[in-house]
Amino acid sequence: GAGVSQSPRYKVAKRGQDVALRCDPISGHVSLFWYQQALGQGPEFLTYFQNEAQLDKSGLPSDRFFAERPEGSVSTLKIQRTQQEDSAVYLCASSLGLAGRGEQFFGPGTRLTVL
Amino acid sequence: TQLLEQSPQFLSIQEGENLTVYCNSSSVFSSLQWYRQEPGEGPVLLVTVVTGGEVKKLKRLTFQFGDARKDSSLHITAAQPGDTGLYLCAGFVSNDYKLSFGAGTTVTVRA
Repeated sequence: GAGVSQSPRYKVAKRGQDVALRCDPISGHVSLFWYQQALGQGPEFLTYFQNEAQLDKSGLPSDRFFAERPEGSVSTLKIQRTQQEDSAVYLCASSLGLAGRGEQFFGPGTRLTVL
Repeated sequence: TQLLEQSPQFLSIQEGENLTVYCNSSSVFSSLQWYRQEPGEGPVLLVTVVTGGEVKKLKRLTFQFGDARKDSSLHITAAQPGDTGLYLCAGFVSNDYKLSFGAGTTVTVRA
């Protein structure tokens, strides 16, 4: 596809379950970002990858959150022992160049609901 | 706490009216962006403003960056139902690569 894709689009988890959210960036894009968007809020930065290197993970809310991009393309955001406050839309974005340079293209997001 | 404050939070107007959305901060931004987000979709970039005092026009949308690079506005002339959506401002602080978003303004244009 031409754009950023994310799967699943919707995920319902019981509190305490682990979840894995996938992001397929635009082919060839060097930079990849994860954001968390709570209801009625703007996206909040979670983490940034340049190719396979995770250069910034300062936005991850707790050590239950883990992200990886092992081959510099597809990325996975994993949340362990989900809590109700983790309920949000998780957005992935990619850009062609280095962070801060060039447009970020966003995927449609994964809506996570923790019961 | 978000660096960028947007106002108003909600805006509902009749087709053909004008509207303005504001984005303010106490921080200086190296550049500021405006996005539009539809339900169930990710934000889509509308414009980037870089220079203090800069004005950019995109059809019926006019974007302005404040002289001190701390604030911005989005003005829509003769709004149409297709302009309905969530408008987000976002910016990079100095040369930081982290994009900071405002909470957004939900615009509804009634036919």
